[in-house]
Amino acid sequence: DAGITQSPRHKVTETGTPVTLRCHQTENHRYMYWYRQDPGHGLRLIHYSYGVKDTDKGEVSDGYSVSRSKTEDFLLTLESATSSQTSVYFCAISVLAPTYNEQFFGPGTRLTVL
Amino acid sequence: AQSVTQLDSHVSVSEGTPVLLRCNYSSSYSPSLFWYVQHPNKGLQLLLKYTSAATLVKGINGFEAEFKKSETSFHLTKPSAHMSDAAEYFCVVSGNTGFQKLVFGTGTRLLVSP
Repeated sequence: DAGITQSPRHKVTETGTPVTLRCHQTENHRYMYWYRQDPGHGLRLIHYSYGVKDTDKGEVSDGYSVSRSKTEDFLLTLESATSSQTSVYFCAISVLAPTYNEQFFGPGTRLTVL
Repeated sequence: AQSVTQLDSHVSVSEGTPVLLRCNYSSSYSPSLFWYVQHPNKGLQLLLKYTSAATLVKGINGFEAEFKKSETSFHLTKPSAHMSDAAEYFCVVSGNTGFQKLVFGTGTRLLVSP
């Protein structure tokens, strides 16, 4: 258990509304990630963070923004939700060893955009 | 660039029979490779990892995988399936130096019948 929580766990919202998902970790890890999971696509990286206020885009970042003002919290915002953003969102942290990057995942947030 | 191909979207076995989930990877440098498991409505759990040490890697719950560079494969096996193994399995590739992003396969759903 890497001490990762996500909130909310489930959310239903309407097209055009803003949505913020929160990821919280308790173990002071530097690297944090947001993924989305869709059938037939596995997990795809949305954004990641390598420190407070340091973030970068992943492969599917359009329509999403992130913020990290504290080490323990990584927020994902959908500025204006669309139906194509209906998905399950996972937060992850990584533990870097000299030769690999091992990631641990939160329980997920199921988002439905109507 | 890195990519991973999971050759089967679904695999069905009977309880007590062997499991084989196939994964081929592509990487322009020495990779790290992982298998993750996701039980229904749960997060992802690391099964095992290859990080350029022993080519035969043992993981949790009796699973193992063999890294074959000549075949660019990292297939997951288990001698005897259990009903609790029914889940989705993801093969993942990354670089093996410092911070690297993970690239996920599209997943293989394992079905286990009594």
